[in-house]
Amino acid sequence: GENVEQHPSTLSVQEGDSAVIKCTYSDSASNYFPWYKQELGKRPQLIIDIRSNVGEKKDQRIAVTLNKTAKHFSLHITETQPEDSAVYFCAASNPAGNMLTFGGGTRLMVKP
Amino acid sequence: KAGVTQTPRYLIKTRGQQVTLSCSPISGHRSVSWYQQTPGQGLQFLFEYFSETQRNKGNFPGRFSGRQFSNSRSEMNVSTLELGDSALYLCASSLNKFLGGELFFGEGSRLTVL
Repeated sequence: GENVEQHPSTLSVQEGDSAVIKCTYSDSASNYFPWYKQELGKRPQLIIDIRSNVGEKKDQRIAVTLNKTAKHFSLHITETQPEDSAVYFCAASNPAGNMLTFGGGTRLMVKP
Repeated sequence: KAGVTQTPRYLIKTRGQQVTLSCSPISGHRSVSWYQQTPGQGLQFLFEYFSETQRNKGNFPGRFSGRQFSNSRSEMNVSTLELGDSALYLCASSLNKFLGGELFFGEGSRLTVL
């Protein structure tokens, strides 16, 4: 089955700096890659996603890049703010499109 | 529009008991999936239902089961509880039959097994 690895597990940055989280996946047939943000004690919420036919997608301060050949995708957050502090999960959908395999999560801490 | 609703939010059980968790998806969503979240194992897929049919099942023992009703509400059951079943159980619903759209999560049911 699919295996998604996520790095780093923790990331501490100064407010205003950029943060990058990287994920690799094993199943070349995976075709949908969402990123979720989970604040302490709250539910995971989708922040951005990308399909396998797109190399990059941007939404304000957040961007995701996908390299299908290398089977890795990354989340980029620019101009980080304290409210960006949370756990971020990457995920890959199976080809059938009915399940997500999640990475282990990255705890991002933005210091004011 | 109401979000995904899970009940109960918190529950405490003892080893050997069984538990049933309920999930009401967003109105109009026909796909419901369940995930187990633990500090050590992260988010792990349990199963997914679409129009009352289980389409996929994760790598969990047969003690974990679920079902979906005609109104898309879903339940999951864990029998013969073990200490390791302590976790946050998240339900998520999706509008589309195939993932490629947003998966909306509920607040979760936090199960503690003593």
